[in-house]
Amino acid sequence: DQQVKQNSPSLSVQEGRISILNCDYTNSMFDYFLWYKKYPAEGPTFLISISSIKDKNEDGRFTVFLNKSAKHLSLHIVPSQPGDSAVYFCAASPFGGTTDSWGKLQFGAGTQVVVTP
Amino acid sequence: NAGVTQTPKFHILKIGQSMTLQCTQDMNHNYMYWYRQDPGMGLKLIYYSVGAGITDKGEVPNGYNVSRSTTEDFPLRLELAAPSQTSVYFCASKGGGGANVLTFGAGSRLTVL
Repeated sequence: DQQVKQNSPSLSVQEGRISILNCDYTNSMFDYFLWYKKYPAEGPTFLISISSIKDKNEDGRFTVFLNKSAKHLSLHIVPSQPGDSAVYFCAASPFGGTTDSWGKLQFGAGTQVVVTP
Repeated sequence: NAGVTQTPKFHILKIGQSMTLQCTQDMNHNYMYWYRQDPGMGLKLIYYSVGAGITDKGEVPNGYNVSRSTTEDFPLRLELAAPSQTSVYFCASKGGGGANVLTFGAGSRLTVL
């Protein structure tokens, strides 16, 4: 039962253009969302997050948008750079409740981004 | 500043054998996690710990055991390895406070033949 879905397994984009990665979720209890970036032979590293009280969070070239009614979030990378070539995972958790549950993330399958010169 | 260190990076096991994946962190984090990633799938939580001496099951705990005798170490034991346990295993840790940000190790790629 995949509660977090990334329906695009891969994305190719030209350097300097915008990359848009999409993520859908089914569990309405999720209220905190994160994006992780993963290079080959390395562990995932945190990129950006958003809580359900916001609809947008920006950090440099990275912006995450959240549409709670559609249970959809997206990650925008502008402008895309060759170093952005990696697998991007969307993850979600229920932020409320006990703190013990906060690190129990549900991950999507990932989107492989390739940025071409 | 090592962060989260996992050993071994690669290992091949025969069906029925047992082994332990090691994980240690030097950030004094209370929370530690083991996830596995199968090809084309997201990471799935195997076990987690909220502090020394306290562990609990995640989404896919069958075939695994954990212990947490110290804050730093969180080993994952595979008993009677099966081909279905062929996967990449990631250990992660998290400090206290309000963030859900996990720090991951580089992973351990395990093949069961």
